[in-house]
Amino acid sequence: AQSVTQLDSQVPVFEEAPVELRCNYSSSVSVYLFWYVQYPNQGLQLLLKYLSGSTLVKGINGFEAEFNKSQTSFHLRKPSVHISDTAEYFCAVSEGLNAGKSTFGDGTTLTVKP
Amino acid sequence: KAGVTQTPRYLIKTRGQQVTLSCSPISGHRSVSWYQQTPGQGLQFLFEYFSETQRNKGNFPGRFSGRQFSNSRSEMNVSTLELGDSALYLCASSLGWGQSAPVHTFGSGTRLTVV
Repeated sequence: AQSVTQLDSQVPVFEEAPVELRCNYSSSVSVYLFWYVQYPNQGLQLLLKYLSGSTLVKGINGFEAEFNKSQTSFHLRKPSVHISDTAEYFCAVSEGLNAGKSTFGDGTTLTVKP
Repeated sequence: KAGVTQTPRYLIKTRGQQVTLSCSPISGHRSVSWYQQTPGQGLQFLFEYFSETQRNKGNFPGRFSGRQFSNSRSEMNVSTLELGDSALYLCASSLGWGQSAPVHTFGSGTRLTVV
């Protein structure tokens, strides 16, 4: 069975500082990995995805993530955050193509302070 | 193109009642998945429908059910509501076939409060 662990429940950071949100996963098969962002009272929006190929994945809003198979990690990074990046971030894993089921981590609340 | 539409946005029900939530996927998407989001349990997968058939099911009691229509619109139903069913219910659609990973497009959710 697949599982996702987001290592930090809350990450406070000052504006224009870099940030890393950590995600580890567990699966017995090949996986597809995702990061989503959720703003208050809204649904989730896809930031980026890893399906195959290059292990460095670039997403929207200046975010990127690196897939590390040996460490079973998929950490999210941004070199310089903005106040508007304050939100909850979810890491997710899916084991199969065509399967509309993803397993989500518990989320990391990113708070960007001025 | 239009996004995933969930109705209603907010709902207040009494314990013991039943409720039906609706989700209209993105045009062309044939897979609809439902998730329950609560502060204590996080995001939990309920079920997925593809071409009117339930293709995946999460670990929820039988009070939670769903269906999908020929136009891919989906409904989920919760019977005999309990206080613990209070949650944000999120619907997500994806193509669901071919070489497409389950890249979900989420709706804004239905906030259900059971009193």
